[in-house]
Amino acid sequence: AQTVTQSQPEMSVQEAETVTLSCTYDTSENNYYLFWYKQPPSRQMILVIRQEAYKQQNATENRFSVNFQKAAKSFSLKISDSQLGDTAMYFCAFMKPDGGSQGNLIFGKGTKLSVKP
Amino acid sequence: EAQVTQNPRYLITVTGKKLTVTCSQNMNHEYMSWYRQDPGLGLRQIYYSMNVEVTDKGDVPEGYKVSRKEKRNFPLILESPSPNQTSLYFCASSWEGVNSPLHFGNGTRLTVT
Repeated sequence: AQTVTQSQPEMSVQEAETVTLSCTYDTSENNYYLFWYKQPPSRQMILVIRQEAYKQQNATENRFSVNFQKAAKSFSLKISDSQLGDTAMYFCAFMKPDGGSQGNLIFGKGTKLSVKP
Repeated sequence: EAQVTQNPRYLITVTGKKLTVTCSQNMNHEYMSWYRQDPGLGLRQIYYSMNVEVTDKGDVPEGYKVSRKEKRNFPLILESPSPNQTSLYFCASSWEGVNSPLHFGNGTRLTVT
């Protein structure tokens, strides 16, 4: 069975600094997709970034980028120039290979990020 | 407005009293899922549905039932709720295909006493 591990339950960063959230996963599949979701205090779940395993290039979305290491099964999220609005719970997620939709995701336990002024 | 609507947002009930949490989407999505979120455990999938009349178990299906009689609705049924089902529940939907974003409802906070 696929598993997703986020080893940092909580992290904090100063505003404007850079922070990296860790995620590792376990799978025997070769083709799959990985995601980072953000959940602010409003409880809303927001997709931050997505990575296809067959792509060697790391995905980037504005201040958010990933470091995808397929051999190591590692998928970390880097947030540059942290802003107060980045304060949230961040979830790493793996899409099951037999699932044809993002509706079939396995989530990690989450990392609570606090951005301090 | 495209959205996933869950009701109720908050629910307090007693052990053994059957309840249903409704979920409806207006985007004609094929995929729908239910997750529960617990502190320190993240989101765990309860059930998912790939289309009408097609449902399958997720990682934590025990104590739950679902049905998908219509494309837009995917209710979560707790026949005999127990205190360990106290949790935050999310319904989500998407088109088929990995590039289709997952739309989440606003969550239902369930407390079983």
